[in-house]
Amino acid sequence: QVQLVQSGGEVKRPGASVKVSCKASGYTFTTYGITWVRQAPGQGLEWMGWISPYNGDTKYAQNLQGRVTLTTDTSTSTAYAELRGLTSDDTAVYFCARERPCGGDECLLPLYWYYYGFDVWGQGTTVTVSS
Amino acid sequence: DIVMTQSPDSLAVSLGERATINCKSSQSILYSSNSQNYLAWFQQKLGQPPKLLLYWASTRESGVPDRFSGSGSGTDFTLTISSLQAEDVAIYYCQQYYRTPYTFGQGTNLEIK
Repeated sequence: QVQLVQSGGEVKRPGASVKVSCKASGYTFTTYGITWVRQAPGQGLEWMGWISPYNGDTKYAQNLQGRVTLTTDTSTSTAYAELRGLTSDDTAVYFCARERPCGGDECLLPLYWYYYGFDVWGQGTTVTVSS
Repeated sequence: DIVMTQSPDSLAVSLGERATINCKSSQSILYSSNSQNYLAWFQQKLGQPPKLLLYWASTRESGVPDRFSGSGSGTDFTLTISSLQAEDVAIYYCQQYYRTPYTFGQGTNLEIK
């Protein structure tokens, strides 16, 4: 079955970096995008960014630009989210989800009119930032 | 950024009764070229990832019970649960996927009265 399996929880010091992985199975990895969403304790959902495993194209949330890097390894069907310069505000559960194979305004092209995303989610990875 | 605002923040409904959650976007998420509303609804139970319920504002994801329905267009949308079941207790989020950043509503906490 289609699934995304994420890496285990992490505890980091302020200023450190964290890299979370998301391994896909049950579908062709390069035919869909991967998006990352985080959820601070007791809070709502915040979209972080999107990556195309097909060509490496990325889109990032403006408030994380410069601190987050999304990458993929097509040989292992794994996506990664790396966040640098951690602060306590980055304490959250980080989710990956399968997304459309397009990002931003590209998704408004007729080629992508019948795609939808966020249909498969990883189980979440808790990242705790504490001194 | 497109701001998504849900109402109410919390809702208590009796078993078997109808539950209605509203979602308003700060700008239209209806794309005129294909007449689609780029809106999704998610259900999140405690300790679990969100689950996709509806996309294109009103299309049910595979396996979602037909008591869940979505309506609306442009900037105003509604999620309706026609007959509340105990397993529907959760937080519900709307999301626009029209323009990045893809933004979510603040969530509506649905409980049993």
